[in-house]
Parts: sequence; C-alpha cells; structure tokens
Amino acid sequence: DAKTTQPTSMDCAEGRAANLPCNHSTISGNEYVYWYRQIHSQGPQYIIHGLKNNETNEMASLIITEDRKSSTLILPHATLRDTAVYYCIVYPKAYVFYTGANSKLTFGKGITLSVRP
Amino acid sequence: EAEVAQSPRYKITEKSQAVAFWCDPISGHATLYWYRQILGQGPELLVQFQDESVVDDSQLPKDRFSAERLKGVDSTLKIQPAELGDSAMYLCASSLVASLHEQYFGPGTRLTVT
Repeated sequence: DAKTTQPTSMDCAEGRAANLPCNHSTISGNEYVYWYRQIHSQGPQYIIHGLKNNETNEMASLIITEDRKSSTLILPHATLRDTAVYYCIVYPKAYVFYTGANSKLTFGKGITLSVRP
Repeated sequence: EAEVAQSPRYKITEKSQAVAFWCDPISGHATLYWYRQILGQGPELLVQFQDESVVDDSQLPKDRFSAERLKGVDSTLKIQPAELGDSAMYLCASSLVASLHEQYFGPGTRLTVT
C-alpha cells in the first residue's frame, strides 16, 4: 500500500522556484521523509531528508508541515537539468542504521517535473 | 567523485537465453542493492546484500534469477532463462553500513528481451 501520494506531473519556468508536494497522511512519528530524483536514463539520486524540522542543503529545501502529514520539496531556482522524476519516500527511523531485511527504499511512481525554458 | 559502476549499459537478448549484469559498488560500501525498474514505475528491490550475505531476496524470482557477491565487493545478477516480462532497467545501488540516508545508484542496465 502506498504510503505517499504525489501528483503525476508538474512544470515550472526556468529560474523560478519549483514546489513539489507530497502527502503522507499515515506517517508515524518515527518515519523520515526522503526525496530522491531520477533524471532520464540515470539511476536515482538522493536529494534530502527530514523528520519534522525544515531542512536545506545545496540542492533543495524540505518543508514538512507541523502535523507531518505532508511536505514540499523546493528547488529554489529550477534549471533545465532539474527536469526529472522526483520520489517522495517515508522511511522508518529505526532502519536508518539497520541493514537487515525490510530496510529497503520503497519507491512509488513519483512526480515528473518538467522545467521549461 | 566515487560512483557505482554497472555493465553493460544496454543488453538485448532473446527469450530463453541467459543474461548477466555486473555491479561494482563504491569502495567501502558494505551494503549492495539490486533494483528492477519497469518503464513508468519506480524501482523495486530484488535483492540486498550485506557484505557477501543476502539479507533480503523476498522479491527475487528465484526460479530464474540469481545474485551473488562472492567477496563482498562486486556483484552479479543473472537471469536464466530470460522472459519477455523481464525487459526493464536493472539498477545497482550501494550504501555505507552505518547510514542509509543515501543510497548511491549506478546508471543501470537496460535489458530488452525479444
């Protein structure tokens, strides 16, 4: 059963902020929110993760609502190279330092972001 | 920057033939994953290794798929015999034992079974 829901696709203009939403209404208190992206013909790439505080790194910002039922990935100045499928994944905190069975990432279909010139 | 290597990048094979894919993870990464990605879908885990041991192969079709990581470094995924439904992208990923915050993926092998 899907633990996250994302729109199928969205687009934005180059240079503008891209705000990618994700719903995870059944998330539990011990689950992280992870974002990966997959550029065409490449393997997925880790972007960012968070538990309940907003996070920022050199690639993006992650805003998690106070109730943790949804989040938004923000690419502040989208470029054509940001065109990709973006996956929002919830992941048990207990598995972060655990490498046994069930510690795999479970990808959905993701959201396709198209950045237009 | 260290990368996960995979070969071949593309493979076309006829059904009922055998096919093999190779993966070399980032040096020092003890955990290795093989994923399969059907067009339009997200990757799905086939098998996970911790060093040379399999820790999760629950989604691996064991009647035709096999995977090994004999020395705990590089790994091979084999399909014998290949079926039309096996056409997909096969992705290898690795991560440090101590952290799963980042799984590093290779470029994948695109398999077409005719």
